[in-house]
Amino acid sequence: NAGVTQTPKFQVLKTGQSMTLQCAQDMNHNSMYWYRQDPGMGLRLIYYSASEGTTDKGEVPNGYNVSRLNKREFSLRLESAAPSQTSVYFCASSARRISNQPQHFGDGTRLSIL
Amino acid sequence: GIQVEQSPPDLILQEGANSTLRCNFSDSVNNLQWFHQNPWGQLINLFYIPSGTKQNGRLSATTVATERYSLLYISSSQTTDSGVYFCAVDYGWTGGGADGLTFGKGTHLIIQP
Repeated sequence: NAGVTQTPKFQVLKTGQSMTLQCAQDMNHNSMYWYRQDPGMGLRLIYYSASEGTTDKGEVPNGYNVSRLNKREFSLRLESAAPSQTSVYFCASSARRISNQPQHFGDGTRLSIL
Repeated sequence: GIQVEQSPPDLILQEGANSTLRCNFSDSVNNLQWFHQNPWGQLINLFYIPSGTKQNGRLSATTVATERYSLLYISSSQTTDSGVYFCAVDYGWTGGGADGLTFGKGTHLIIQP
C-alpha cells in the first residue's frame, strides 16, 4: 500500500501564479487534512474534510481553497500565490468518524514562491 | 484552543545515551500522536497513545491523560534517531467542532557518534 501520496514533491512558483497540490490515499479513510509547516515550527491545519462532500476551515485557511474530489482525493489550491505561502505542505488521512484514529501523513510538497 | 508544549527544544546526546522527551497539553484529548521528522522531512508515525504505555523496540511512550502530559523515551540512541520529534493532540471528533491535530514546536534531537 502506498498510504498517502502527494504530488508534486517540489515546486517553485512566481508571485501571483496559481497551482493545485494533489493528495490521494488508498486506505479507505473518511477524513483528510492539509497542513503547512514553516521553518522551526510544528504543522498547522489549513483545511480538512471530515467525509466525502464536506470541507471545513482549519487554523490558517486564508489564501487557500480545497476540493474533496472523491473519497480518495483531496486537493489544495493556491489561486494567487504569495511569498508568505512558501512552506512545506503535508496531506494526512484518518479513519475518523468511526472512532478516534491516528492520522497518516504523506511525504510533503516543498513549495517556494518567489 | 489546545496548547501543546514540548521540552526540551533542543537536545544533543552521544550515541548510546538514553533520553526523555516531554509533551504537556492544556485540555483533555482523545488523540495524541508522537512523530519523528527525519532529516529528509518525512513525518514518521511513532505512537498513537491517547493514554497508557506502549513500546516499540528502543522507543516507548507513556501518556497520563488525567495529568495532561506524555513522555517519549529513547534508549540506546543511534545516529539515525536524529531529527525533530513532534507531539500532536486533538479533542477528538465531535461531529461539529474543529478537527485536526495541534502540534507542538518539537524537540530537535542530535545524536553524535
